[in-house]
Amino acid sequence: QVQLVQSGAEVKKPGASVRVSCRTSGYTFTVYDLNWVRQATGQGLEWLGWMNPNSGHTDYAQSLQGRVTMTRDISTSTAYMELSGLTSEDTAIYYCARDSDYTHAFDIWGQGTMVTVSS
Amino acid sequence: DIQMTQSPSSLSASVGDRVTITCRASHSISTYLNWYQQRPGKVPKLLIYGASDLQGGVPSRFSGSGSGTDFTLTISSLQPEDFATYFCQQGYGAPRTFGGGTRVDIK
Repeated sequence: QVQLVQSGAEVKKPGASVRVSCRTSGYTFTVYDLNWVRQATGQGLEWLGWMNPNSGHTDYAQSLQGRVTMTRDISTSTAYMELSGLTSEDTAIYYCARDSDYTHAFDIWGQGTMVTVSS
Repeated sequence: DIQMTQSPSSLSASVGDRVTITCRASHSISTYLNWYQQRPGKVPKLLIYGASDLQGGVPSRFSGSGSGTDFTLTISSLQPEDFATYFCQQGYGAPRTFGGGTRVDIK
């Protein structure tokens, strides 16, 4: 079945970087765009950006420009999201989510990765 | 950026009630509107895409309507497993913004 499996929880100090992976299976990796979304505790959903796994083209949320990088490894059907210059405001659960079609609905989600930024 | 505004932010309802949640876009988004359910501690789940199309496996008591700037999610007869937070999201353009969410609690 279609699955997105993310890497485990991370604890980082302020100023550090974090890289979260999203390993996909059950479908052709290069056909569907991948999005990254985060959710701080008790808060709503914040879209971070998307990547076309075929071309590697990316588009990032303006609020994270310069700090976020989305990449992929086609050979392992895995997407990566790296966030640098971490602050306590970046503490959240990070999700990867598959973009289904022209409606850009996110039909399959990873299980989430908790990133905690603390000194 | 397109802003998405949901109302109410929370509501209390009883099992069997009909529940309606609204979502308003700051600009016309045609029918590029999607709805998600998130139970506490769980991953968001796609319910409705393209404003009114039911995602596979989602019960028929869920329905969506609207176009342009105004949209609704309706639960025709609330069930115990429907107590959750619901989010709308626009797929018209980037950034793909979400509404603030509507929490549905047990009355």
